[in-house]
Amino acid sequence: GAGVSQTPSNKVTEKGKYVELRCDPISGHTALYWYRQSLGQGPEFLIYFQGTGAADDSGLPNDRFFAVRPEGSVSTLKIQRTERGDSAVYLCASSPQPGTGVHNEQFFGPGTRLTVL
Amino acid sequence: SQQGEEDPQALSIQEGENATMNCSYKTSINNLQWYRQNSGRGLVHLILIRSNEREKHSGRLRVTLDTSKKSSSLLITASRAADTASYFCATDDGGSQGNLIFGKGTKLSVKP
Repeated sequence: GAGVSQTPSNKVTEKGKYVELRCDPISGHTALYWYRQSLGQGPEFLIYFQGTGAADDSGLPNDRFFAVRPEGSVSTLKIQRTERGDSAVYLCASSPQPGTGVHNEQFFGPGTRLTVL
Repeated sequence: SQQGEEDPQALSIQEGENATMNCSYKTSINNLQWYRQNSGRGLVHLILIRSNEREKHSGRLRVTLDTSKKSSSLLITASRAADTASYFCATDDGGSQGNLIFGKGTKLSVKP
C-alpha cells in the first residue's frame, strides 16, 4: 500500500516484558516520527528521525524506550521492562521532507495499541 | 507536554448544521495544522495554515488563525454524519524539527 503501515495492530504483553513495534513509512519519506496517545488525550511526541539518525529524542519518557531506523526507512520502537503505564496507542508518521517548519504535513499510520497487563 | 487546547471538548450537532472548534496554543509557531481521528487510531491531515496566513479554505473546511491571540478555529459547514470523529489541532514549536504538539481534541458527533 501507499500509506504508513504499523505492525502489530494490537499487542498485549505482561508487565516486565520487552516489546518491539514496527513502522513502515511511505517510500521516499526522509522524516519519521513516533508519538504516543493515551486514552482521551492527543498524541504526544516521542522521537524524530531524519534519515537514519535520531534528530530529536527529547520526548522519550525514560531509558526503557529506544528507537532505531538503521537503513533510513523502517523504524522499530523498543520498550524494555514494560509497565502498565506504557499502555497506549503508539503512532508513527512520516513526512516527505525534514521538519523545516514551513510545510510539514505528516502522514500517520493506523497505530499499534499496546496493552500491558 | 501538550500545547494546544481545543474547545469545546465535545460537540454534538444535527446533520446539516455547522460545527466550530477552537484551538489555543502557547508558543510561537511556523504553522498550525488540523487533523481528524476516527475511533482512536490513525490521524488524517485536514489542512495546514502558515503563521503568515489568516484564513484558509478546503472544501467544507474553513480555518482561521490569529497569531496575536495564539488561537485558531476550524469550521465545518453543512456537517454530515460521516464527519463524526475527533479533531485535533497541532502546532510545531517554532523550530525546524517538525515534531507536532497536539491538543486534547474535540469530539464531534453529527446526528443524522
